[in-house]
Amino acid sequence: NAGVTQTPKFRVLKTGQSMTLLCAQDMNHEYMYWYRQDPGMGLRLIHYSVGEGTTAKGEVPDGYNVSRLKKQNFLLGLESAAPSQTSVYFCASGRGQGAPGYTFGSGTRLTVV
Amino acid sequence: TQLLEQSPQFLSIQEGENLTVYCNSSSVFSSLQWYRQEPGEGPVLLVTVVTGGEVKKLKRLTFQFGDARKDSSLHITAAQPGDTGLYLCAGFFNDMRFGAGTRLTVKP
Repeated sequence: NAGVTQTPKFRVLKTGQSMTLLCAQDMNHEYMYWYRQDPGMGLRLIHYSVGEGTTAKGEVPDGYNVSRLKKQNFLLGLESAAPSQTSVYFCASGRGQGAPGYTFGSGTRLTVV
Repeated sequence: TQLLEQSPQFLSIQEGENLTVYCNSSSVFSSLQWYRQEPGEGPVLLVTVVTGGEVKKLKRLTFQFGDARKDSSLHITAAQPGDTGLYLCAGFFNDMRFGAGTRLTVKP
């Protein structure tokens, strides 16, 4: 049982390059989330989805786009990477918003130089 | 400004000691969760509380949700080196918001 799988695990980008982070879950969860984690700031919500074909903005959405074409996949795109987007990105999924809780992937460490 | 304030930020104790970490907000949560995160991994859910005054126990860990649903605490009895990690609280408002965490180190 894989749970939530994120790819890639590590990536280095040059400023201005684009990339897509992939998230896949095998638990049939309706809700999926993208967070970024920075030292001393906890996890901040970028975008989320409440079901296939839906997306919504979170706390820090600027510079990112997302798509949920299939229920099991949630993609996070960076169109023109900036050094401020250097962070660890986590995908999570859940049966609801809030309770009973989320299952997280193991993260993607992104460095923008 | 963090919606959820966790204290202390860092805690280093000896094996066998007891400890309590706190999660506070000026807002009311509809639910609150505690996660533990180890280096290089994603957070792992420990517990969810939804009712004011609720107390849940998970082996040596005791979680309490404040009566007004604005705060929570995590108490660990007889801490072990395996308890070392980053403890995060998360509260649901319009979306799930996380505190910055308490980094716990338990020395053998």
